[in-house]
Amino acid sequence: GDSVTQMEGPVTLSEEAFLTINCTYTATGYPSLFWYVQYPGEGLQLLLKATKADDKGSNKGFEATYRKETTSFHLEKGSVQVSDSAVYFCALKPMGGYQKVTFGIGTKLQVIP
Amino acid sequence: EAGVTQFPSHSVIEKGQTVTLRCDPISGHDNLYWYRRVMGKEIKFLLHFVKESKQDESGMPNNRFLAERTGGTYSTLKVQPAELEDSGVYFCASSHLGLAGGPTYNEQFFGPGTRLTVL
Repeated sequence: GDSVTQMEGPVTLSEEAFLTINCTYTATGYPSLFWYVQYPGEGLQLLLKATKADDKGSNKGFEATYRKETTSFHLEKGSVQVSDSAVYFCALKPMGGYQKVTFGIGTKLQVIP
Repeated sequence: EAGVTQFPSHSVIEKGQTVTLRCDPISGHDNLYWYRRVMGKEIKFLLHFVKESKQDESGMPNNRFLAERTGGTYSTLKVQPAELEDSGVYFCASSHLGLAGGPTYNEQFFGPGTRLTVL
């Protein structure tokens, strides 16, 4: 079945540091790929997405590129802020129809001043 | 446009008691999903409604869980009797098919979740 593997964390970075959270997936066909974020005390929010190979999703300074050849969707940000502290979930959804989303375990990011 | 809402935001109950969680999807969304995150684990799919019909309930852990969506609007998820391992955050999501190829095509919008603690 479909699966998503991401680093568990926690990840602790200083403000303005470079962030990479690795995500790889296993799925048949060409799923859509997502990064969701959950800020403390809040619900899940879609951060960015990519629906086909080589697409780059971006939002709020975060980027991730859909790499079919390596089945990866790594999340990056050049300079993190304290306000980026949250749990980040990599996820996929098979193409077509009303398909369920498969999530990774979530990576907790803490950014310190 | 209001988002997906869930009630309550937190619930603390004792083992053996019953709890009912509610989800109100975005107006007009025929698809409604329930997911659960047990502490430290992945967010896992529980079930999917299309209008009032259960399309896929393959993720429901056991028969102590009962989901309903009468009238195809809001949904409830009842846990009876609750066990310690049911503790976690329960998320609801909704979607509509929308315009094929459009920016939100079949995108699932998530609610804030209900944190359930079973003591």
